[in-house]
Amino acid sequence: DQQVKQNSPSLSVQEGRISILNCDYTNSMFDYFLWYKKYPAEGPTFLISISSIKDKNEDGRFTVFLNKSAKHLSLHIVPSQPGDSAVYFCAASGRVGANNLFFGTGTRLTVIP
Amino acid sequence: SQTIHQWPATLVQPVGSPLSLECTVEGTSNPNLYWYRQAAGRGLQLLFYSVGIGQISSEVPQNLSASRPQDRQFILSSKKLLLSDSGFYLCAWSVGGGANVLTFGAGSRLTVL
Repeated sequence: DQQVKQNSPSLSVQEGRISILNCDYTNSMFDYFLWYKKYPAEGPTFLISISSIKDKNEDGRFTVFLNKSAKHLSLHIVPSQPGDSAVYFCAASGRVGANNLFFGTGTRLTVIP
Repeated sequence: SQTIHQWPATLVQPVGSPLSLECTVEGTSNPNLYWYRQAAGRGLQLLFYSVGIGQISSEVPQNLSASRPQDRQFILSSKKLLLSDSGFYLCAWSVGGGANVLTFGAGSRLTVL
């Protein structure tokens, strides 16, 4: 039973445009959300996070938005660069401590030069 | 700085053979350690986590086991592999005491034939 869902397995975007990756969750007890980025043959790396007390967190070109009522979060990348091409995983946690981190299935982003 | 090493990177094993994947972390003490698996079309699934030497928690019943013989060493094992054990295995660590941000190793791709 997937408690964190990424319904788009892939996304293609032109360089310089905005990339929007979406994630939905089912467990209303989740209170901390993260995005990880994964290149081929490498482990995922932490990108950005947001706590449930916020609805937006920004770090450079990356912004995560959280809509608690809709149980939805999204990652915006502006402007998109070819080096952003990777698989992006959404993850959620119900409490402090990563032993209960639930991951989505990932979205493969391709940024076309 | 902290680094995490995981090996072997790829492994092809026959059904019924044993398995040993090893993970070590450098540059930190008393980390939380994790084994995740990504099966085809699935998200990252937590298999085991450990908060200290000899302390292993299993998240899902399966054909695998984990051990932590030293503070910064985490081993994933099986006595007899099944076809369904094929997948991409990731070791990760986080700061002990509770933290949601995981640092992953490069992963081990296991194919059981």
